[in-house]
Amino acid sequence: AQTVTQSQPEMSVQEAETVTLSCTYDTSESDYYLFWYKQPPSRQMILVIRQEAYKQQNATENRFSVNFQKAAKSFSLKISDSQLGDAAMYFCAYRSGTQGGSEKLVFGKGTKLTVNP
Amino acid sequence: ETGVTQSPTHLIKTRGQQVTLRCSSQSGHNTVSWYQQALGQGPQFIFQYYREEENGRGNFPPRFSGLQFPNYSSELNVNALELDDSALYLCASRRTAQTGELFFGEGSRLTVL
Repeated sequence: AQTVTQSQPEMSVQEAETVTLSCTYDTSESDYYLFWYKQPPSRQMILVIRQEAYKQQNATENRFSVNFQKAAKSFSLKISDSQLGDAAMYFCAYRSGTQGGSEKLVFGKGTKLTVNP
Repeated sequence: ETGVTQSPTHLIKTRGQQVTLRCSSQSGHNTVSWYQQALGQGPQFIFQYYREEENGRGNFPPRFSGLQFPNYSSELNVNALELDDSALYLCASRRTAQTGELFFGEGSRLTVL
């Protein structure tokens, strides 16, 4: 079974600074997707960024970028120019790319990010 | 806004009771899945429905059941509630043709006393 580990329960960053959230995963599959989701106090999960395992290029979305190390099974999220609105729980998630299977996401336990003004 | 709405937002039940949670997805979202998120944990997959049939299930007992309706709404039913069922229940949906992204609702917070 696949597992996702987030080793940082909490992180803090100063506004406008850069922070990196860590995620490692375990799988024997070669085809899969990785995601970072943000969950603010409103509780709604919002997709931040996604990465297809077959793509070597790291995904970027504006101030958010990932460092995807497939061999090391590592998938970290870098937030640049942090803003107060970035404060939230961040979850790393894995999804199998196997066709015809369920599309379940396997989540880590999350990292609580605090942004200090 | 993700276009996925859940009701009720909060509810309290006692052990042994039954509960029904509801989710309304965007038009065209043929796939819906439900997750249980205990306090301080990441969400755990309960099951998934595609075109009104269950097509994937996580490690949850049969007292967790679901329904999906042609109008893109769905239900999660939990029988014989236990204290450990206290959690946030999240519904997520997407168009099958769309890869990757699930749209989540804000969840229903269930407390079992």
